Amino acid sequence: DAKTTQPPSMDCAEGRAANLPCNHSTISGNEYVYWYRQIHSQGPQYIIHGLKNNETNEMASLIITEDRKSSTLILPHATLRDTAVYYCIVRAPLSGNTPLVFGKGTRLSVIA
Amino acid sequence: DTGVSQNPRHKITKRGQNVTFRCDPISEHNRLYWYRQTLGQGPEFLTYFQNEAQLEKSRLLSDRFSAERPKGSFSTLEIQRTEQGDSAMYLCASSLNRGVTGELFFGEGSRLTVL
Repeated sequence: DAKTTQPPSMDCAEGRAANLPCNHSTISGNEYVYWYRQIHSQGPQYIIHGLKNNETNEMASLIITEDRKSSTLILPHATLRDTAVYYCIVRAPLSGNTPLVFGKGTRLSVIA
Repeated sequence: DTGVSQNPRHKITKRGQNVTFRCDPISEHNRLYWYRQTLGQGPEFLTYFQNEAQLEKSRLLSDRFSAERPKGSFSTLEIQRTEQGDSAMYLCASSLNRGVTGELFFGEGSRLTVL
């Protein structure tokens, strides 16, 4: 699976949009981009995934560049409960039998 | 909706003892995963099952670690002759092997402290 690079930490003011970047310059054509987050003392939680089109759900939006070498997770109106470690992961589809491989992620602190 | 359940949530043991963790996945999920997480690190993949078959176990940390899923439902992770370096959070996740992506649903984890 392709390696990802994320900043170790970021701050965001409550109510503002949080934009979390991820570089995945070696991504292969069939690899998806996944985002998970982990709130303190809990297991990771799925947020969103995409292949090449931008995606949006009730939690967040995922913007993938046209060359697919980077992506941005957007939390449109961050709240204190969004304080967590956010993981960007790229992997092939399930049929490849490859597990999710987590890096160190970005620690997002939402500040009141 | 019952999520992934892990027991015990906390375990304190002395070095050299054996410990076993149990994971009950979401009922219709056929894939089950075990991860380990140490402080400041992301979860580290250990092994996974599809139904009762263990499809990947080369990343288990040593031969002291073993996992089973005998009837394709709950799973156990056993650590024999524990060492202080085994202290960590052990996470279980489950998913449906359907379609392309199959998001993972994680439990709250079992925290092991080896004295």
